[in-house]
Amino acid sequence: DAGITQSPRYKITETGRQVTLMCHQTWSHSYMFWYRQDLGHGLRLIYYSAAADITDKGEVSDGYVVSRSKTENFPLTLESATRSQTSVYFCASSATSGRAKSGELFFGEGSRLTVL
Amino acid sequence: AQTVTQSQPEMSVQEAETVTLSCTYDTSENNYYLFWYKQPPSRQMILVIRQEAYKQQNATENRFSVNFQKAAKSFSLKISDSQLGDTAMYFCAFMKHGGNNDMRFGAGTRLTVKP
Repeated sequence: DAGITQSPRYKITETGRQVTLMCHQTWSHSYMFWYRQDLGHGLRLIYYSAAADITDKGEVSDGYVVSRSKTENFPLTLESATRSQTSVYFCASSATSGRAKSGELFFGEGSRLTVL
Repeated sequence: AQTVTQSQPEMSVQEAETVTLSCTYDTSENNYYLFWYKQPPSRQMILVIRQEAYKQQNATENRFSVNFQKAAKSFSLKISDSQLGDTAMYFCAFMKHGGNNDMRFGAGTRLTVKP
């Protein structure tokens, strides 16, 4: 049971470069999310997706782009990275029904991104 | 918009003792879920306990229990018989029922269990 995996786990890039963080889940969960974690802010929602080809902005979406062509994948792209995007990024998924407890999010292990 | 406040950035407790982490939230919703997640140094987010707002009974999971006060919008976590492995960041989170399953998190409380 692979669950939810993120790659890369660590990434260093330079200002202005494009970066893509990958997220893959094996549960066929409908919902997927991207959060960023910063000291003093907890986790803040960047984007979420209710199903394939359905995405919507969260509270800190500026500078980020997502896509979801397949249910199991939800990549996050920083089109032109800035230093303020240095953070730890978490992907999560959630099922709306079935055996999974309603409302629970399952998280990946996080991707630490440093923008120089 | 919902907000979640954790007023204790850091706490410490002696091994085997009891500690309570505070959380308050603001919402106009009547049906929702509340959660406590644990994040150890490994960075993995682990669900500790979950409470449905329509249930008056406080949730418990082994050594972890909550004190849910809906009118006061308070949701504290009590850890009994603290263990060294409980050392972690603890996040309180809110999710609206029937929404898009997105969670709102507090800023976190760093708990250190001392031997």
